[in-house]
Amino acid sequence: KAGVTQTPRYLIKTRGQQVTLSCSPISGHRSVSWYQQTPGQGLQFLFEYFSETQRNKGNFPGRFSGRQFSNSRSEMNVSTLELGDSALYLCASSVSGTASGTDTQYFGPGTRLTVL
Amino acid sequence: QKEVEQDPGPLSVPEGAIVSLNCTYSNSAFQYFMWYRQYSRKGPELLMYTYSSGNKEDGRFTAQVDKSSKYISLFIRDSQPSDSATYLCAMKGAGKSTFGDGTTLTVKP
Repeated sequence: KAGVTQTPRYLIKTRGQQVTLSCSPISGHRSVSWYQQTPGQGLQFLFEYFSETQRNKGNFPGRFSGRQFSNSRSEMNVSTLELGDSALYLCASSVSGTASGTDTQYFGPGTRLTVL
Repeated sequence: QKEVEQDPGPLSVPEGAIVSLNCTYSNSAFQYFMWYRQYSRKGPELLMYTYSSGNKEDGRFTAQVDKSSKYISLFIRDSQPSDSATYLCAMKGAGKSTFGDGTTLTVKP
């Protein structure tokens, strides 16, 4: 079974631009969660989507948004990029998501975003 | 104060040593406990998963949970250079997963 895939793997943008990242979950997984990972803040939860609906949201500004399609693929968008948005953005998929305590998340390789 | 605190490291040990990685937490809603391993330039991969107090063993890895003290540990026996990675503890409860900041481990041959 193919794992979680994320595209692109690397991205360089300048301040003020916007960016869209893509995540394809494992086949059969309906939950997709997004995380931001930085050396200073660790792994921070952005949001979770399940069956095209946002189910949970972390403490990030409205510049960070996402959506999920009917095939469970998900996109994350960041508008008006800031230098502090430079990070590794990770996507994780699972069958049922955070609503199920025993459900296991599988992570993709991440997209490394650099904002200049 | 963070809900999950992880020993920051970095940790450097000789091959064959026993490694202890530790996390504490403050949220009693956390019921499920995980350890992930993350190699450089890769996403985290699940190593161990447990939901009860006590020990769970898988090969050279042992996960220990003490809910009364809100403390979890991961022990690695006979550590190998291939164990060199960042280890993240994670906890799930009340509809969310929260991660520690990670401990970077280097096992020297």
